Amino acid sequence: GDSVTQMEGPVTLSEEAFLTINCTYTATGYPSLFWYVQYPGEGLQLLLKATKADDKGSNKGFEATYRKETTSFHLEKGSVQVSDSAVYFCALRHTNTGNQFYFGTGTSLTVIP
Amino acid sequence: EAQVTQNPRYLITVTGKKLTVTCSQNMNHEYMSWYRQDPGLGLRQIYYSMNVEVTDKGDVPEGYKVSRKEKRNFPLILESPSPNQTSLYFCASSSPGLLNEQFFGPGTRLTVL
Repeated sequence: GDSVTQMEGPVTLSEEAFLTINCTYTATGYPSLFWYVQYPGEGLQLLLKATKADDKGSNKGFEATYRKETTSFHLEKGSVQVSDSAVYFCALRHTNTGNQFYFGTGTSLTVIP
Repeated sequence: EAQVTQNPRYLITVTGKKLTVTCSQNMNHEYMSWYRQDPGLGLRQIYYSMNVEVTDKGDVPEGYKVSRKEKRNFPLILESPSPNQTSLYFCASSSPGLLNEQFFGPGTRLTVL
């Protein structure tokens, strides 16, 4: 069945460091892919999305490219800030499974000054 | 303001005492879902609903019930709560299209003693 695999956390970085959080998926066809962010004490909110192969989603300095050939959607940011400390979830949505959403386990990021 | 609301936000109860967590959305979304979030396990789907009177089990439905009598509301019912249902619960809603993201509520922190 469909699934999403994220890199294990937690991740700790210094401010202005480069961030990569790996995400790979298993699905037939062409699902839509999402990154959600959960700040401490809050619900999840959409960070970015991509809906077809080679699409690049971007928001708040974060980027992720939909790679069909490697079934990946890695999240990157060139220079993280303390305010980026949060839990990040990769997710997919697929028509083949009734438009269901599948989430990764989440990756906790802490950015230290 | 478009939003998903949940009540209560925090609840401490005792084993066996029936409870209901309400969820309401004002975006006219057909799709609604309940998740629980536990450390190290990410988000796990409990139940989802494609539309009024249409509900289906997610990955961890045991011990939970739901109903969808109106489009905007999707309550989660714990008939006889147990300590292993202590968790952080999120309701979410979405339009049915593949391109559409889910909108999440702020979460309900439930403790069952």
